[in-house]
Amino acid sequence: DGGITQSPKYLFRKEGQNVTLSCEQNLNHDAMYWYRQDPGQGLRLIYYSQIVNDFQKGDIAEGYSVSREKKESFPLTVTSAQKNPTAFYLCASSPYNRNYGYTFGSGTRLTVV
Amino acid sequence: GENVEQHPSTLSVQEGDSAVIKCTYSDSASNYFPWYKQELGKGPQLIIDIRSNVGEKKDQRIAVTLNKTAKHFSLHITETQPEDSAVYFCAAIPPGNQGGKLIFGQGTELSVKP
Repeated sequence: DGGITQSPKYLFRKEGQNVTLSCEQNLNHDAMYWYRQDPGQGLRLIYYSQIVNDFQKGDIAEGYSVSREKKESFPLTVTSAQKNPTAFYLCASSPYNRNYGYTFGSGTRLTVV
Repeated sequence: GENVEQHPSTLSVQEGDSAVIKCTYSDSASNYFPWYKQELGKGPQLIIDIRSNVGEKKDQRIAVTLNKTAKHFSLHITETQPEDSAVYFCAAIPPGNQGGKLIFGQGTELSVKP
């Protein structure tokens, strides 16, 4: 079955560490997105990519980095520059078409310890 | 750019009652409006969507209505059940170079009391 997979489900980060969250899709979607969700809050866009080897900053890109070397993969690195990284991270993909919405992954919960 | 406002932020209903969540959008050229349901600790799931050439769409107990003149669209859930309890997000796709990038509302936490 086609879908979008995020791993790991839970991730713990020590102060000063970089961590990478994985997002893989087999839906043949062109576009991929990363969102951050804080408790009781909405979805804030971190980065998005509409084509391989290209990506754009979203509303809260500071302290994060991404790459898009393959159509299927869009990993997110939370760097030590992100001062408050504890949150629920959601990856999504779409056909990059104004007539279709997103398919979301199941999320990664990142906690700073 | 496009802005989507969603109300109410929280909604509590008794089991069997109806629930209505409303969203307004700013860009009249937006043409696709999905609704997502997010259960606790999970990713949002698409539950229904509507395109600008349609005024209403139904799928069993859920329906979405679109008023292009007033620039608002609403989610209607009838005969609510405890498993309908979740956070619901509306969204719109703006025109121009944004391709398929969705603009989300702030979310509505629906609680259905048995």
